[in-house]
Amino acid sequence: GAGVSQSPSNKVTEKGKDVELRCDPISGHTALYWYRQSLGQGLEFLIYFQGNSAPDKSGLPSDRFSAERTGGSVSTLTIQRTQQEDSAVYLCASSLRFMAPSTDTQYFGPGTRLTVL
Amino acid sequence: QKEVEQNSGPLSVPEGAIASLNCTYSDRGSQSFFWYRQYSGKSPELIMSIYSNGDKEDGRFTAQLNKASQYVSLLIRDSQPSDSATYLCAVKRQGAQKLVFGQGTRLTINP
Repeated sequence: GAGVSQSPSNKVTEKGKDVELRCDPISGHTALYWYRQSLGQGLEFLIYFQGNSAPDKSGLPSDRFSAERTGGSVSTLTIQRTQQEDSAVYLCASSLRFMAPSTDTQYFGPGTRLTVL
Repeated sequence: QKEVEQNSGPLSVPEGAIASLNCTYSDRGSQSFFWYRQYSGKSPELIMSIYSNGDKEDGRFTAQLNKASQYVSLLIRDSQPSDSATYLCAVKRQGAQKLVFGQGTRLTINP
């Protein structure tokens, strides 16, 4: 079946502009995650959505970052007033359910490479 | 101390040999453990998941978990050049949502 899809695959923007990154999870997966991978850095958790529950925003680095998930499916990560340090690959992942072992495996999309000039 | 630690490498292994990748974690409440493979410029791809102490085998891959010693390892038998990639260890605490990743070990298989 189709995997996690993300768009755009690449985004170049100027410092100070806003950007929106989109994620379409695997059909039937109720949990959706956003991570960031910077050059030389590991994968850093940003935000998590599970069904209709309030999202876990504990990983968002600043209030310039926000995300929403409409209809329990597609998610949009928005970065306002982008800074050069926001340049990274933004990865989305989804999982079937988050609590039960063996169903909590996260599958990653191809990522969006964001470059802030 | 980082929550999840891996030797960044590079680790060079001759083709056909066994590659051994190690990962230690600090949170004793960790419940789920994953190995992802990431080729340059690509997203992480799940290789193995393990939840119980002991070994779990899948083809040429074996994951080993020792919760008492807080380490998890990945063995790759009969290494192939296509195994050359960065291997990420990820850990999830019971009841938590996020994965905590190590920095990754860069593995090179030499023909």
